[in-house]
Amino acid sequence: EAGVAQSPRYKIIEKRQSVAFWCNPISGHATLYWYQQILGQGPKLLIQFQNNGVVDDSQLPKDRFSAERLKGVDSTLKIQPAKLEDSAVYLCASSFYRVGETQYFGPGTRLLVL
Amino acid sequence: AQTVTQSQPEMSVQEAETVTLSCTYDTSESDYYLFWYKQPPSRQMILVIRQEAYKQQNATENRFSVNFQKAAKSFSLKISDSQLGDAAMYFCAPPQGGSEKLVFGKGTKLTVNP
Repeated sequence: EAGVAQSPRYKIIEKRQSVAFWCNPISGHATLYWYQQILGQGPKLLIQFQNNGVVDDSQLPKDRFSAERLKGVDSTLKIQPAKLEDSAVYLCASSFYRVGETQYFGPGTRLLVL
Repeated sequence: AQTVTQSQPEMSVQEAETVTLSCTYDTSESDYYLFWYKQPPSRQMILVIRQEAYKQQNATENRFSVNFQKAAKSFSLKISDSQLGDAAMYFCAPPQGGSEKLVFGKGTKLTVNP
């Protein structure tokens, strides 16, 4: 069974530029999560989708971050404009929509903002 | 707010020996699930073990087991017969409230010495 796919794996941009990350979850997983993991810390949830609807985006910096999940499958996370403090690994995870279900993570996208 | 404490930023163990990683958390829920995830240097987050809070029996997965103390809100991970491939960051992840969302600790970096 294919795992969670993410691209690109690495991205280097200058501050104030825009960047987009893509995630393809495990087939059949209705729930999709985007996490931000700053070096030396645990992942922090940015946004959770249930199918193509947003369940929780309370920690998403909405002035610069946006995310969508069209057709309830693939998802894109965008940052515009990027700041230096956005340098982090962006992790995508998916699961069945049920309390206690295991979240399966993708390899992540490492973003460096210069 | 949900809190997770992993009090050991770094741990080391000799190959073939046993090591225990600690985790305490705070929740007002009675039924929930807890997770330990492993993140090797390649950064792919992998599930290690999952515990259902309403079960008296501690979860076990091969060399990995937990000591779950519900009243104390403690959820430690024991790794027996440590192997070089166990070297990674280990994150404790209890639920956020009664939802399917997880809150990750800051992690414990485990080094396995040959």
